[in-house]
Amino acid sequence: GQSLEQPSEVTAVEGAIVQINCTYQTSGFYGLSWYQQHDGGAPTFLSYNALDGLEETGRFSSFLSRSDSYGYLLLQELQMKDSASYFCASLGQGGKLIFGQGTELSVKP
Amino acid sequence: DVKVTQSSRYLVKRTGEKVFLECVQDMDHENMFWYRQDPGLGLRLIYFSYDVKMKEKGDIPEGYSVSREKKERFSLILESASTNQTSMYLCASSGRGGGDTQYFGPGTRLTVL
Repeated sequence: GQSLEQPSEVTAVEGAIVQINCTYQTSGFYGLSWYQQHDGGAPTFLSYNALDGLEETGRFSSFLSRSDSYGYLLLQELQMKDSASYFCASLGQGGKLIFGQGTELSVKP
Repeated sequence: DVKVTQSSRYLVKRTGEKVFLECVQDMDHENMFWYRQDPGLGLRLIYFSYDVKMKEKGDIPEGYSVSREKKERFSLILESASTNQTSMYLCASSGRGGGDTQYFGPGTRLTVL
């Protein structure tokens, strides 16, 4: 079957750096996306990796290694507002996304 | 700004009722999706649509059907609601190409009693 694995929860302190890993086992893989979801809110797009390597968007970076079926989201200079759930998702044909179970990030002062 | 709206934020229905969840997007997107989200299970795809009158089953289509008569509107139908369909339902839309970023609506929290 198709699946993505990511840690269920991560805790870090304000100002720190945190990495959320994602391993995937999917067919028809086009790329890896990351979404953020605050409590009670809708998921919002953070980044997308179609090719191997690092993509940087401000304090957030995302990495993909197709040969290892692995990616990660790196959050730098953590802020309290970064406390949320983070989902990795594999992109397949027709824009179809398969989501991981989500990682709940808690940022402590 | 992309806007995806859903007809209700909260909905309470009784077992056996027919339930309609409506989703409208204003970005002329070809693709539309319905997910349900349950604690610890992430987002699971119920149905999706590439175009008007087109529909494809997702991972958990049982107990659901969909309708897409107009490009901007995608409806999820629970023919006979059951308590195990109590969940958060999220609609999303995306255009073609460029990572196919999905834009989500605010969600409908459905409770079936």
